Amino acid sequence: DTAVSQTPKYLVTQMGNDKSIKCEQNLGHDTMYWYKQDSKKFLKIMFSYNNKELIINETVPNRFSPKSPDKAHLNLHINSLELGDSAVYFCASSQGLQGASGYTFGSGTRLTVV
Amino acid sequence: AQTVTQSQPEMSVQEAETVTLSCTYDTSENNYYLFWYKQPPSRQMILVIRQEAYKQQNATENRFSVNFQKAAKSFSLKISDSQLGDTAMYFCAPAAGNMLTFGGGTRLMVKP
Repeated sequence: DTAVSQTPKYLVTQMGNDKSIKCEQNLGHDTMYWYKQDSKKFLKIMFSYNNKELIINETVPNRFSPKSPDKAHLNLHINSLELGDSAVYFCASSQGLQGASGYTFGSGTRLTVV
Repeated sequence: AQTVTQSQPEMSVQEAETVTLSCTYDTSENNYYLFWYKQPPSRQMILVIRQEAYKQQNATENRFSVNFQKAAKSFSLKISDSQLGDTAMYFCAPAAGNMLTFGGGTRLMVKP
């Protein structure tokens, strides 16, 4: 049973396209996140949702739009993809805003823009 | 805003020996949690150990232990009896202000 599942695992697309990454968690957590890991392995938060409400929206281009239809799902839609968007995107979840028990991560989606 | 510094970009250790990875952070929060995550080549993020900032006792998890110095904002990870499977990137990550902030990571290589 995968706790946090992301699809797809790999995504190769051309500049200018629009794409979505889906994330689902079956842990009953109430908070979900999107993180971006760049080519130097640096991880940075993009968004967080608590009970479907947007809590954190870091400095991310408007081309990135998260959507949380319910507590168990947090999808990421990216418009007009650029070369610089190439990275690994991780979805994560935690119980509560402080994440006291730790954050559980999905296996990541490697996005390559050509 | 939080900052997290892992001053050792790369380290290596012989199998069965002990290695310590360092981490310092800065936060204005008083109540928070600290984590070490491991990322092997499979890229999966795996929780190694967690520490509650209000607890003075250092956390241990089998071969993994931490040295938490709250006043100094230091949170190092000690791996005892290193195994080949410990080869990975290790990330220090305090959780405060409703999010997990990661350090730049330490690439650890365990040599046979």
